[in-house]
Order: sequence, then structure tokens, then C-alpha cells
Amino acid sequence: SAVISQKPSRDICQRGTSLTIQCQVDSQVTMMFWYRQQPGQSLTLIATANQGSEATYESGFVIDKFPISRPNLTFSTLTVSNMSPEDSSIYLCSVEWGAYGYTFGSGTRLTVV
Amino acid sequence: RKEVEQDPGPFNVPEGATVAFNCTYSNSASQSFFWYRQDCRKEPKLLMSVYSSGNEDGRFTAQLNRASQYISLLIRDSKLSDSATYLCVVIRTGANNLFFGTGTRLTVIP
Repeated sequence: SAVISQKPSRDICQRGTSLTIQCQVDSQVTMMFWYRQQPGQSLTLIATANQGSEATYESGFVIDKFPISRPNLTFSTLTVSNMSPEDSSIYLCSVEWGAYGYTFGSGTRLTVV
Repeated sequence: RKEVEQDPGPFNVPEGATVAFNCTYSNSASQSFFWYRQDCRKEPKLLMSVYSSGNEDGRFTAQLNRASQYISLLIRDSKLSDSATYLCVVIRTGANNLFFGTGTRLTVIP
């Protein structure tokens, strides 16, 4: 299966600031997905990132708050903008990998204070 | 109604026990089904896909009932290392992403 390197693994940020999360995949993939997992909850899809086009956002998520870049087939970033404590969560990127289903990055644990 | 629903547990079982988890999905257009395992503070990892005919992988057996729209996971001879949260995951026809249940937490006790 694909191997995903996600950075940073964790961060503590001041409210009002922004954090950019990076995911690097060891293979070329068409779609990358960004998820949020709030404490004690399951994963919720934020957006789907395709190379060469704008990301597609799910209901409740907007580009101004969660801008995404997808400059090539192996890399993507998610920015959490103008953070508030409600943004404290784990953020995960994911790619589809054939018969192996979906592979996830190791996650970014964000705490906003 | 949620796309995927699971009993959150927790399930606390002794080593060697057999435990079963169920999951229901709301959209009959759902086409692919998986069980993922998530350890504490880790990312989800694929445990097994679920096929219409049912499938087995060692101590783990997955079943799909399309008529009733539910999926099950059976773990036999539980090990301490099976302690984790088990996520039921569904892909709906026409969608490219996963829909997750809230997970069922399992703790295997010595």
C-alpha cells in the first residue's frame, strides 16, 4: 500500500493563527482526502483534493477556513486558518490504494489555546 | 439519520472470548464495506474488506447482509492485542470517499 508522511504530528497554536499540515505520498495518486477527527468522534471528511483543480469541500467546510493545495500527484497541504479552540482536533490525510482500501497519514493532533 | 451507525461500546471481554460487532448503513446504494482498526492516538488501518459472500482472515470473520443493510465483525479467541476501536466504513455508489461509523471500542482483559 501507499506510505504517507504527514507533518507536523502535533502542534499547540494560539487562537487567530493558522497552521499548515503537509502530506507526502510515496506514489502518485489521483485523489487525496482530508479528514477531521474530533475528540471521541469518528472521522469526518473535510474535502477531496485533486491535482490541477480546486478541492471539493463537504457541507460545513469552506475554502476560506480550510484552504488546500495539491501541486502534484504526491503532495497536498491543508491549512487551518484563523484558529479557535473548536478547531482542536486530529487532522488526517488519506489516499485510495487499490484493493488495500484507503491508507491514512499518521495524523496531526492540533490543540488551539 | 447517520450514514453509518455502530454501537460505541465499550466491549470489555476476557482473553479467549468471542466478540461480535454490528454496524448498519442507511444508504442502499452503498457498494463497498470495510472494517478498520484504530489504536489509541493512531491513524485508522484497514483490518479487512467485507464481501457479499462473507470472508474470513484468521480469527476475524466479516459478514455483509445487504437486505438488512448491516455488516458484522466476529473476533474469535480474543487477544490482548485486539484492544482497539473498530470502525465500520462504507463507500457509497457515486461517492469517492469513506463514510465512517463512530467506532466500537474493544478492551480485552487478561
